[in-house]
Amino acid sequence: GAGVSQSPSNKVTEKGKDVELRCDPISGHTALYWYRQSLGQGLEFLIYFQGNSAPDKSGLPSDRFSAERTGGSVSTLTIQRTQQEDSAVYLCASSLEVGLAGVRTQYFGPGTRLTVL
Amino acid sequence: QKEVEQDPGPLSVPEGAIVSLNCTYSNSAFQYFMWYRQYSRKGPELLMYTYSSGNKEDGRFTAQVDKSSKYISLFIRDSQPSDSATYLCAMTPFGNEKLTFGTGTRLTIIP
Repeated sequence: GAGVSQSPSNKVTEKGKDVELRCDPISGHTALYWYRQSLGQGLEFLIYFQGNSAPDKSGLPSDRFSAERTGGSVSTLTIQRTQQEDSAVYLCASSLEVGLAGVRTQYFGPGTRLTVL
Repeated sequence: QKEVEQDPGPLSVPEGAIVSLNCTYSNSAFQYFMWYRQYSRKGPELLMYTYSSGNKEDGRFTAQVDKSSKYISLFIRDSQPSDSATYLCAMTPFGNEKLTFGTGTRLTIIP
């Protein structure tokens, strides 16, 4: 079946421009997550959605970052007034309800590589 | 200091060798421990997870958790060139959706 898809796969933008990154989760997955992966930094949690609600936005690095999810499916991560330090791979993951062991398995998309010039 | 520390490598071993990958952590609330494998230009994929302390085996892979030492390990037996990837540890407290990742160890298996 289809996995998590993200678009675009690559995005080059100029400093100060706004960008939108899209995530299509696996059909039927109720939870959706955004992470950022920078060189040498590992994956950094940004935000988590359960349905269309975002109970945990604690990882968003500044108010230039926002995300929404509509219809319990597609999510968009928006970065306003991009800065060079925003350059990274932005990964999306989705999961079903909590599994037997009390933990969700997160399935990741291939990511969007963002370069801010 | 980061909550999760992982040696970034790179680590190169000959085919057939046993590989040992490790992470240390500082947050005693962590209860679930996971290992993800990430091939170049791909998203991470879950290899194994364990709850609390103990060992778990799945084919050539064994995950170990020592909560008293705040230390987790992933062993790969009979390593194959297809195991060449970046391995990331991740962990979370019970009932928490936020995974905290290590920086990843880049592994190369030499044929």
